[in-house]
Amino acid sequence: EIVLTQSPATLSLSPGERATLSCRASQSVTTYLAWYQQKPGQAPRLLVYDASNRATGIPARFSGSGSGTDFTLTISSLEPEDFAVYYCQHRSHFGPGTKVDIK
Amino acid sequence: EVQLVESGGGLVQPGGSLRLSCAASGFTFSSYWINWVRQAPGKGLEWVANIKPDGSEKDYVDSVKGRFTISRDNAKNSLYLQMNSLRAEDTADYYCARERRGISCNYGSCSTYWYFELWGRGTLVSVSS
Repeated sequence: EIVLTQSPATLSLSPGERATLSCRASQSVTTYLAWYQQKPGQAPRLLVYDASNRATGIPARFSGSGSGTDFTLTISSLEPEDFAVYYCQHRSHFGPGTKVDIK
Repeated sequence: EVQLVESGGGLVQPGGSLRLSCAASGFTFSSYWINWVRQAPGKGLEWVANIKPDGSEKDYVDSVKGRFTISRDNAKNSLYLQMNSLRAEDTADYYCARERRGISCNYGSCSTYWYFELWGRGTLVSVSS
């Protein structure tokens, strides 16, 4: 069974700063990894699929990279609406999430 | 509008039953695998179950096998989750989610992968005495 770990658990940043979130798989998932954003009281939203493809309507400041076991979600310049929890996912497995909060 | 809308959540005693529904609109429901994903209060996401477009294949997380049943009615564009023998640890927001599914083949060996591209707003299930 694949286990996804995410780091850091919490990332405290200011608007305008760059955010780098990590997801590591216990075994290779090639590039079949997705990232989701969840704001309080809302459903998750698909941001990136196939490790690096932005979903429909997702701003260009969000980018995904990686393959095999190591993946990164980068938010190039944080907007106020980007402070949320981010999850990675492969098939039926989710990572524990990274909370991006305001410093 | 393309959307999924869950209903049927509520407060139930341990050992009780509940049936969740998910109404789909704005897309061809019968063409997609659909899932239930849950989130306990303050916790992360947990996949619960999924069902093939024609209903012929279903899968469940081990913790609900034998207690939960996923089903669908394509004529009504609806997904269901029958939950029996409920436990306190089943307390969560339950989301239905449409899959984006693909197949990866390498050296003659193929496997499927999927993402959750469309989510409903969720319905809260609370199991407590």
